[in-house]
Amino acid sequence: DAGVTQSPTHLIKTRGQHVTLRCSPISGHKSVSWYQQVLGQGPQFIFQYYEKEERGRGNFPDRFSARQFPNYSSELNVNALLLGDSALYLCASSLGEWTEAFFGQGTRLTVV
Amino acid sequence: QKEVEQDPGPLSVPEGAIVSLNCTYSNSAFQYFMWYRQYSRKGPELLMYTYSSGNKEDGRFTAQVDKSSKYISLFIRDSQPSDSATYLCAMKGAGSYQLTFGKGTKLSVIP
Repeated sequence: DAGVTQSPTHLIKTRGQHVTLRCSPISGHKSVSWYQQVLGQGPQFIFQYYEKEERGRGNFPDRFSARQFPNYSSELNVNALLLGDSALYLCASSLGEWTEAFFGQGTRLTVV
Repeated sequence: QKEVEQDPGPLSVPEGAIVSLNCTYSNSAFQYFMWYRQYSRKGPELLMYTYSSGNKEDGRFTAQVDKSSKYISLFIRDSQPSDSATYLCAMKGAGSYQLTFGKGTKLSVIP
């Protein structure tokens, strides 16, 4: 069985640009969450979606947005990129809204 | 005070040693506790998931939760060089979707 897949694995963007990150959850999982992990820190919660509805949002600015599609895949969008947005962006999928979360390999974003 | 405190290490042990990793927390609403292993530049891998005080064992790994002291531990027996990684504790409240992580402890197991 395929695990959580994220794309792209790496990308480099310039300050002020926009980026879209993609996530496909484990087959049968209906919940997707997004986390940001800065080097040397634990992941920080950004969003959770369950059954295509936003169920939670962390303490991130409005430049961050996300959505979940009918096939339960998800996109994370970040506008007006800042140098501080450089991080590993992790997607996690869960069978239900509150069950164990399984993470993908992440997308490493570098903003220059 | 951060909600979850975890000593970042680094922790270096000889192969075969018993490793003890710990986290403390301040939020009494946390009811579910997890340990993840993260290799360099990879996503976290779920090792243990517990929701009650006491011990849970899985192979060489034992997770221990003491809710009265707000203290959780992960023990690794017969440690192997392949256990070298960063170990993250995570927790969430009942009915909550948000995981709160510690900073992670970097472990090196020396052959």
